[in-house]
Amino acid sequence: EAQVTQNPRYLITVTGKKLTVTCSQNMNHEYMSWYRQDPGLGLRQIYYSMNVEVTDKGDVPEGYKVSRKEKRNFPLILESPSPNQTSLYFCASSPRQGGNEQFFGPGTRLTVL
Amino acid sequence: AQSVTQPDIHITVSEGASLELRCNYSYGATPYLFWYVQSPGQGLQLLLKYFSGDTLVQGIKGFEAEFKRSQSSFNLRKPSVHWSDAAEYFCARRGDGNKLVFGAGTILRVKS
Repeated sequence: EAQVTQNPRYLITVTGKKLTVTCSQNMNHEYMSWYRQDPGLGLRQIYYSMNVEVTDKGDVPEGYKVSRKEKRNFPLILESPSPNQTSLYFCASSPRQGGNEQFFGPGTRLTVL
Repeated sequence: AQSVTQPDIHITVSEGASLELRCNYSYGATPYLFWYVQSPGQGLQLLLKYFSGDTLVQGIKGFEAEFKRSQSSFNLRKPSVHWSDAAEYFCARRGDGNKLVFGAGTILRVKS
């Protein structure tokens, strides 16, 4: 089944404790992206990747890191989480640039205490 | 800057009634436009998309949307709402670097 998977689905952590949210897609998509969803703000892009070893900042990159060592994986790293990073996070992928539909993962709900 | 506005935060309709969710996008070249639905605790599912051509596009679950360039709008419609349509709906447009620029969302409540 074609899908985007994220782990964990739920995470509660404390300020400053490094964490990684994994994202994997099995559709051989070049493009991958991370969004955060906050009430009243919709989804905002954090980082994106056009292909392996190619990443760039989105609209709200502060406090986040990403890597793209393999085509299928695009982990989101929070080196020192803070409470303002409490949010719902979505990973997405699409086949190529050009407006094609993006496929979303199920989301990761993160709470930073 | 590219932006998407969904003027209605909440909408309540009776089951069986018609539905229209509003979406306005900022000025730009012919936009790529999308409607996504998010059911409680779920990810986002694409309902429909518009790239070019016929301005009335059909989607899944009986939804349709009409692109109106003169009004910079891409409103979502359904002739008869079912209780299972209760969800949050997001309008989005393609932005720079293939990202999606989302509206704030509209929460649809369906009353029986």
